Amino acid sequence: NAGVTQTPKFQVLKTGQSMTLQCAQDMNHEYMSWYRQDPGMGLRLIHYSVGAGITDQGEVPNGYNVSRSTTEDFPLRLLSAAPSQTSVYFCASSYSMRGVPYEQYFGPGTRLTVT
Amino acid sequence: GESVGLHLPTLSVQEGDNSIINCAYSNSASDYFIWYKQESGKGPQFIIDIRSNMDKRQGQRVTVLLNKTVKHLSLQIAATQPGDSAVYFCAENWSNTGKLIFGQGTTLQVKP
Repeated sequence: NAGVTQTPKFQVLKTGQSMTLQCAQDMNHEYMSWYRQDPGMGLRLIHYSVGAGITDQGEVPNGYNVSRSTTEDFPLRLLSAAPSQTSVYFCASSYSMRGVPYEQYFGPGTRLTVT
Repeated sequence: GESVGLHLPTLSVQEGDNSIINCAYSNSASDYFIWYKQESGKGPQFIIDIRSNMDKRQGQRVTVLLNKTVKHLSLQIAATQPGDSAVYFCAENWSNTGKLIFGQGTTLQVKP
């Protein structure tokens, strides 16, 4: 099992550009989520999904879109990048029962810089 | 977890001592809690979890205690080792929402 994979590892964008951060998991997990982590801070939930075709907003969803067309993939789209979106982005997945995401596994992260 | 600004609290312990890392969670309706360890440059790694119908759970060298009355969670690490040096986060699942919300984190430094 590769676990949770994220691409790219590093990315530099100019203000206003758009891009998609990719996330995939091969553990057949229903639950997937995206977090951002700013320097010296904790992780903040951007969006999450409890299964294919279902997504919902987290704590900081503005400026980001997600979709979940398959169980394996959960891409995060930045529509118009801003310097405030400079951060490390983590994708995670887990099995879930009655909506509770048990034992989330995290990917290695994507380091995004917006200039 | 409570916001503590830009600097993570730091706990410094001697190798071989026991460590206790504390976390105040925010939602009294949270039904599931997790502790994560994050080493520099890596993603968070699952350590141990506990459901809200329990007040204690033990793993290998780690114990999690849950006090719902005061919305407090703690992680105890026995015989702390240099490899335990990392940032530790607690996370709470907001019941019926699927939202797993992280606390601010604590940096554990182990002195040889």
